[in-house]
Amino acid sequence: QKEVEQNSGPLSVPEGAIASLNCTYSDRGSQSFFWYRQYSGKSPELIMFIYSNGDKEDGRFTAQLNKASQYVSLLIRDSQPSDSATYLCAVKRGGYQKVTFGTGTKLQVIP
Amino acid sequence: DGGITQSPKYLFRKEGQNVTLSCEQNLNHDAMYWYRQDPGQGLRLIYYSQIVNDFQKGDIAEGYSVSREKKESFPLTVTSAQKNPTAFYLCASSMAQGGTYEQYFGPGTRLTVT
Repeated sequence: QKEVEQNSGPLSVPEGAIASLNCTYSDRGSQSFFWYRQYSGKSPELIMFIYSNGDKEDGRFTAQLNKASQYVSLLIRDSQPSDSATYLCAVKRGGYQKVTFGTGTKLQVIP
Repeated sequence: DGGITQSPKYLFRKEGQNVTLSCEQNLNHDAMYWYRQDPGQGLRLIYYSQIVNDFQKGDIAEGYSVSREKKESFPLTVTSAQKNPTAFYLCASSMAQGGTYEQYFGPGTRLTVT
C-alpha cells in the first residue's frame, strides 16, 4: 500500500463545474496535509494546507480533512481552463520533517 | 522578492561526469530539501537539511551528495555513481519549527545525462 494514494486521472470537468480531487493516506500519525498544483514542465505551487478535521476554504478552493477515514480532498469551485494541471497531495507526520507526496491527479477543465 | 532560485534551468552532461545543482533561498527558512521527479511519478526525497552543517538522507540518496554550509544555500551534486540521473530536480524550503511547515519550491533544474 502506498503511503499517499491519488487517482492519476485524468479527471475531466466542464468549465464552471466543481472539481473534486481525492487523496488517502496510510500513516495515522499524519498531522499536516498539503495540496500543490503543478503545471506541465513547472515546479509545484502550494495551494492550501490543512491540519484540523473539517473544511478550510480559500477563494474557489476548499480542502476537506477526515482523519478518522484517513482522507483529504480538494474541491475547486467554478473550475476554469487555467485550473488544468496536476494536483499533488502531500502528507507530513507529526514530529518529522519529511513530507510524502502522492503521484498526483491530472485535472482537465473543458471550455 | 523572497523566493527560491535554482540554476541552471537546463543542464546537459555526459555520462561519468559529476554535476552540481544550485539552490538558494532568501525566505529565512531553516529546512531545505532536494527532490527528484521522473515523468508520471511523484516527488521522491533525495536529501534534506534542518539546520546548517547537518543533513539527512531521504529515500533515494544513493549517487547524490549535498552540503549545507550556509542557511541560504543547499547545493546537490549528482555523482557518476547515480545510475539514472536524467530527471527533473526540485529544491524546496520550509520553516523547521514554530511554523506551519509547508514547503515552497524553486523552479527546478532539468538534468539530461547522455
